[in-house]
Amino acid sequence: DAGVIQSPRHEVTEMGQEVTLRCKPISGHNSLFWYRQTMMRGLELLIYFNNNVPIDDSGMPEDRFSAKMPNASFSTLKIQPSEPRDSAVYFCASSKKGQGTYEQYFGPGTRLTVT
Amino acid sequence: AQSVSQHNHHVILSEAASLELGCNYSYGGTVNLFWYVQYPGQHLQLLLKYFSGDPLVKGIKGFEAEFIKSKFSFNLRKPSVQWSDTAEYFCAVNSYSGGGADGLTFGKGTHLIIQP
Repeated sequence: DAGVIQSPRHEVTEMGQEVTLRCKPISGHNSLFWYRQTMMRGLELLIYFNNNVPIDDSGMPEDRFSAKMPNASFSTLKIQPSEPRDSAVYFCASSKKGQGTYEQYFGPGTRLTVT
Repeated sequence: AQSVSQHNHHVILSEAASLELGCNYSYGGTVNLFWYVQYPGQHLQLLLKYFSGDPLVKGIKGFEAEFIKSKFSFNLRKPSVQWSDTAEYFCAVNSYSGGGADGLTFGKGTHLIIQP
């Protein structure tokens, strides 16, 4: 299995620009999670989906952030407009209902730098 | 709301020393507990997990953890560390909802440095 795939791996953009991060979960997994990692705040859950439906988006910091999951194999996290404080590593993870512990498998992350 | 507290932010040990990293959580319901490791420049990897049964769980690379429900703790242990264990360690918790698992709540992490 290829694991969770994220793209791009690195993104450098200027303040005010739109940023789109992409995630392909492991085939057969029905839950998808977006996390953000910063030095100050550690790892935070932004939003997660079950069966392509957003369940909890209370971690999304502002209206500038939005996430979609149009089908079971693809999700996007969009920031518009981006700000320097959005600089972080964004991780996507997926898990499969019925596997007991619902272990989450993480992707390699996208390192976002907003200048 | 769930919260996770990791007691040590930075730990420095010599090779062959024993390791124990503390983790406490707060949540009123049934939880799943995890320890993840993040090697420098890499993504999170699962070390071990607990969801029910034997409170002493064994994971990869010789790590183990003990769930003590009365103390809301899930401490990570390894009897003899190696230089390759240098990494960031995260304790995490989630619970179940009707459609699947909730997102993970992470502790702040413990930066472990093993000196040769």
